[in-house]
Amino acid sequence: AQKVTQAQTEISVVEKEDVTLDCVYETRDTTYYLFWYKQPPSGELVFLIRRNSFDEQNEISGRYSWNFQKSTSSFNFTITASQVVDSAVYFCALSEEGGSEKLVFGKGTKLTVNP
Amino acid sequence: EADIYQTPRYLVIGTGKKITLECSQTMGHDKMYWYQQDPGMELHLIHYSYGVNSTEKGDLSSESTVSRIRTEHFPLTLESARPSHTSQYLCASSEVGRENTEAFFGQGTRLTVV
Repeated sequence: AQKVTQAQTEISVVEKEDVTLDCVYETRDTTYYLFWYKQPPSGELVFLIRRNSFDEQNEISGRYSWNFQKSTSSFNFTITASQVVDSAVYFCALSEEGGSEKLVFGKGTKLTVNP
Repeated sequence: EADIYQTPRYLVIGTGKKITLECSQTMGHDKMYWYQQDPGMELHLIHYSYGVNSTEKGDLSSESTVSRIRTEHFPLTLESARPSHTSQYLCASSEVGRENTEAFFGQGTRLTVV
């Protein structure tokens, strides 16, 4: 069975701090896909990154970076020099079916960046 | 910006009423999904469709039903709303057959049944 655990329910930081959001997943498949989505107060889910199980390269996109480690079944997300606009709920998700089919989500981490 | 739209954004309705939540996308995606989001934030898949006339139930049991008569339209219906249906409902779509596709989400419908 698939499962995604985001142990941090809420995180509060001061602007310009770095913050890491943890994600641990469980799956029996050897092929799977991991995602991070951002949900701002407006409600929609905004896609941030997709990573397949064969690609363990870390990725950096501006202030965002992701650390994928199969050995620990983790896919952590770091925001460097956080900004108030980063305040949102962040979801980690897993799919076993080749694309975005039937995403299994973690419970989300609410990030508040204070000025 | 994703071209997937949900209406209404907010709905307060009395117990026993029939409601339909609308979801439309203009991207020509074959795959569409409905997720239910608890007040505690967790999202669960309740319905999905891989194309016209294809609908399946998701991992979370739901009393709602869906239909897929047109590619772009994937409405969700509750025949008799109850307070336990109070939740946010998010619609999503994605392409078939592309390795690096992601799901695009609408802004959601926040339903309150009183």
